[in-house]
Amino acid sequence: GAVVSQHPSWVICKSGTSVKIECRSLDFQATTMFWYRQFPKQSLMLMATSNEGSKATYEQGVEKDKFLINHASLTLSTLTVTSAHPEDSSFYICSALSGINQPQHFGDGTRLSIL
Amino acid sequence: KNEVEQSPQNLTAQEGEFITINCSYSVGISALHWLQQHPGGGIVSLFMLSSGKKKHGRLIATINIQEKHSSLHITASHPRDSAVYICAVRSGGGNKLTFGTGTQLKVEL
Repeated sequence: GAVVSQHPSWVICKSGTSVKIECRSLDFQATTMFWYRQFPKQSLMLMATSNEGSKATYEQGVEKDKFLINHASLTLSTLTVTSAHPEDSSFYICSALSGINQPQHFGDGTRLSIL
Repeated sequence: KNEVEQSPQNLTAQEGEFITINCSYSVGISALHWLQQHPGGGIVSLFMLSSGKKKHGRLIATINIQEKHSSLHITASHPRDSAVYICAVRSGGGNKLTFGTGTQLKVEL
């Protein structure tokens, strides 16, 4: 149980395009989802906390207009990297909470490469 | 100094060896997580604990709240255990996690 599906698993696109990443909880309802970014050989960095039906809470230094988060339902959150540039190339991974004091369940991540 | 420190950073073991990965933290926590990140990047939650000890198959996790320390043990290690193991703590009243830098484990035949 507690499966989180993240799509796409990898994407390569040209500079200036926008990329949408989906995070779905397949067998549970997730009131809270988290979006992380990870650079090679480094730990996960929290970008934002996404709550169903409300605006996402962004961490300091993360541009909300650059990284648009939508959590429209209890099973789906999306991260859109707008006007992506090479410096946005990274590994993005989401996680979902099935309830208070429950473990976070992670997706398999999305490897984004901007040419 | 990071709030969550792991040691060692890198570990190479022979198949069958008993492995220990350590995690120390400096803040009060409500829970500690051990995560496994596969080479492809996907992350699996291994344990969430707030006291004592938990066991799942060949994996054992312990935590000492007074000493702010946790250990992850792998018995009878196998090459398929090769991965990055990450310690993360939840503190305060929210659900955010603070992550350690991870331990890269390689188990050789």
